[in-house]
Amino acid sequence: GDSVTQMEGPVTLSEEAFLTINCTYTATGYPSLFWYVQYPGEGLQLLLKATKADDKGSNKGFEATYRKETTSFHLEKGSVQVSDSAVYFCALSASGGSEKLVFGKGTKLTVNP
Amino acid sequence: DADVTQTPRNRITKTGKRIMLECSQTKGHDRMYWYRQDPGLGLRLIYYSFDVKDINKGEISDGYSVSRQAQAKFSLSLESAIPNQTALYFCATSDSGSGAVGYTFGSGTRLTVV
Repeated sequence: GDSVTQMEGPVTLSEEAFLTINCTYTATGYPSLFWYVQYPGEGLQLLLKATKADDKGSNKGFEATYRKETTSFHLEKGSVQVSDSAVYFCALSASGGSEKLVFGKGTKLTVNP
Repeated sequence: DADVTQTPRNRITKTGKRIMLECSQTKGHDRMYWYRQDPGLGLRLIYYSFDVKDINKGEISDGYSVSRQAQAKFSLSLESAIPNQTALYFCATSDSGSGAVGYTFGSGTRLTVV
């Protein structure tokens, strides 16, 4: 079945450092890919998405590019802030994007001042 | 008011008790989902419903049941709670007509079974 694998955390960075969180997937067809963020004590919020190969999703300084050849959707940010401290989830939705989401296990990011 | 509201926010219950978690939404979405979140395991799908007359099991449905009372309401029941059902539970909604725009999540219910 479909699955998502993300790098294990926790990840601890200093403010203004570069962030990469790796995400790879296994799926048939052409899934849609998502990054969700969960701030402490809150539910998940959609951070960015990409629906086809080579699409780049971006939001709040975060970016991720849908790489079909490597089945990857790595999350990057050039300069993290303390307010970016959260848990980040990579997820996929089967072909067409209207199916249920499959999540990775999440990566906890802590950014220190 | 939140688009997706879960009640209660926190609950402590005893082993063997029946408990219901409720979810209501004002998004007008036709699809609703229940997930549980455990540390190190991410989110796992318990049940989902694509419309009022459609209920489907997810990957970890054993020990749970659901009811879709209306398009806007989707409740999750634990018939006889056990300690390993201690987790954070999330309800989510999506719109089948809007393609891959992802889900809207509630704020979660933290359930502790003692």
